[in-house]
Amino acid sequence: NAGVTQTPKFQVLKTGQSMTLQCAQDMNHNSMYWYRQDPGMGLRLIYYSASEGTTDKGEVPNGYNVSRLNKREFSLRLESAAPSQTSVYFCASSEYGGLWSQPQHFGDGTRLSIL
Amino acid sequence: QQPVQSPQAVILREGEDAVINCSSSKALYSVHWYRQKHGEAPVFLMILLKGGEQKGHDKISASFNEKKQQSSLYLTASQLSYSGTYFCGTEYNFGNEKLTFGTGTRLTIIP
Repeated sequence: NAGVTQTPKFQVLKTGQSMTLQCAQDMNHNSMYWYRQDPGMGLRLIYYSASEGTTDKGEVPNGYNVSRLNKREFSLRLESAAPSQTSVYFCASSEYGGLWSQPQHFGDGTRLSIL
Repeated sequence: QQPVQSPQAVILREGEDAVINCSSSKALYSVHWYRQKHGEAPVFLMILLKGGEQKGHDKISASFNEKKQQSSLYLTASQLSYSGTYFCGTEYNFGNEKLTFGTGTRLTIIP
C-alpha cells in the first residue's frame, strides 16, 4: 500500500499562476486534510473533508480552493499564486469520518515556491 | 490558541532520556503527538485524552496533566532513530474543531 500520495513533490510558480496539488489515499479513509508548514511554525490547516462530498475551511483558507473528487482523492487549488503561499503542503487522512476526526497519516509533502 | 512546546531544541547522547512538554492556556480535551524527520512527513505517535491513562509505545510514552493543562512526552534510553522534530496538536473541545499545532521541539541524538 502506498498510503497517502501527493503530486507533484516540487513546484516553482510565478506570481499569478494557478496550479492544483493532488492527493490520493488508498486506505479507504473517510477524512482528508490539507496543511501548510512554514519555517518556525506548526502545521496550519487549510481545508478538510470530513467525508466524501463535504469540505470545510480550516485556519488559513484564503487563496485556496479544494475538491473532494471521490473518497480517495482530495485536491488543493491555488487560483492566483502569491509569494506568501510559498510553503510545504501536506495532505493527510484519517480512517474516521465526522467533525471529531483528526489526521493520522500524512503524505510526503509538496514543496512549492512562488516567485 | 497555539500550544507552547518546550524546550525548542535539545541535543542528547544515545541512551539518555528526554522530556518534551506541550502546554496550553486553555483547558485541553486531547493532545496528539507526532514526529517528523527532516524532509519527511509527520508520523502520528499517540493521543492523550482528558482523564485518560498515560500512553506508551516501546520506550516512548506520554502523560496528560489536567491541573497544568500540559502533556509531556518521555523518550527513555534514546536511540539515534528518535532524532527529529516532535509536534503536539491540541484539541480544546471534542467534536467541533481541528487540531492546533505547536511549533515543534527539535531533538538531536548523537552517538
